[in-house]
Amino acid sequence: NAGVMQNPRHLVRRRGQEARLRCSPMKGHSHVYWYRQLPEEGLKFMVYLQKENIIDESGMPKERFSAEFPKEGPSILRIQQVVRGDSAAYFCASSPDRGDRGYTFGSGTRLTVV
Amino acid sequence: KNQVEQSPQSLIILEGKNCTLQCNYTVSPFSNLRWYKQDTGRGPVSLTIMTFSENTKSNGRYTATLDADTKQSSLHITASQLSDSASYICVVSRNTGGFKTIFGAGTRLFVKA
Repeated sequence: NAGVMQNPRHLVRRRGQEARLRCSPMKGHSHVYWYRQLPEEGLKFMVYLQKENIIDESGMPKERFSAEFPKEGPSILRIQQVVRGDSAAYFCASSPDRGDRGYTFGSGTRLTVV
Repeated sequence: KNQVEQSPQSLIILEGKNCTLQCNYTVSPFSNLRWYKQDTGRGPVSLTIMTFSENTKSNGRYTATLDADTKQSSLHITASQLSDSASYICVVSRNTGGFKTIFGAGTRLFVKA
């Protein structure tokens, strides 16, 4: 029973490129959450998704950032036209339902924009 | 405003010593409080979870306490080991028809030989 899988672990992008971060939730989990952690700072909530639906995107920047969780396949966090300030660790967590039972984090994707 | 504040921001202790980390919150309505350990470059791992009615919960050398009246929690680490060096994050969930989690900024613990 694999945990929450995120890939890639490390991603380097030049300014202006697109970054795609993937998150496969634990088996049986249909709720996914994305967080961003800037260097030396705490985790900040970005978006909460259920299969094919965005439930809460109050933490997402209004421009360049989008997230999806299709019926089949992993959840994707997409950052268009990356800037240096997007450099951070992006963590995904999943849970089996809307409550917080079994809330589990992945190991994160470290994005570096050069 | 729903907030979670942790203290100290960082802490250095010698191997074998005990330490206590603090978490104060103003989250309402309260659902539960968790402590996570985050090793450098890794995702957070849950240590304990406590609901309103629970005062204390242990996980090996980690013991968490909760005072729901004063809205304070502590994480006590006994006989620290070098591998305890990590960030410890207090997370409080509120339940308003769906749940929302509010993260503290964490306490960075350094255990030295």
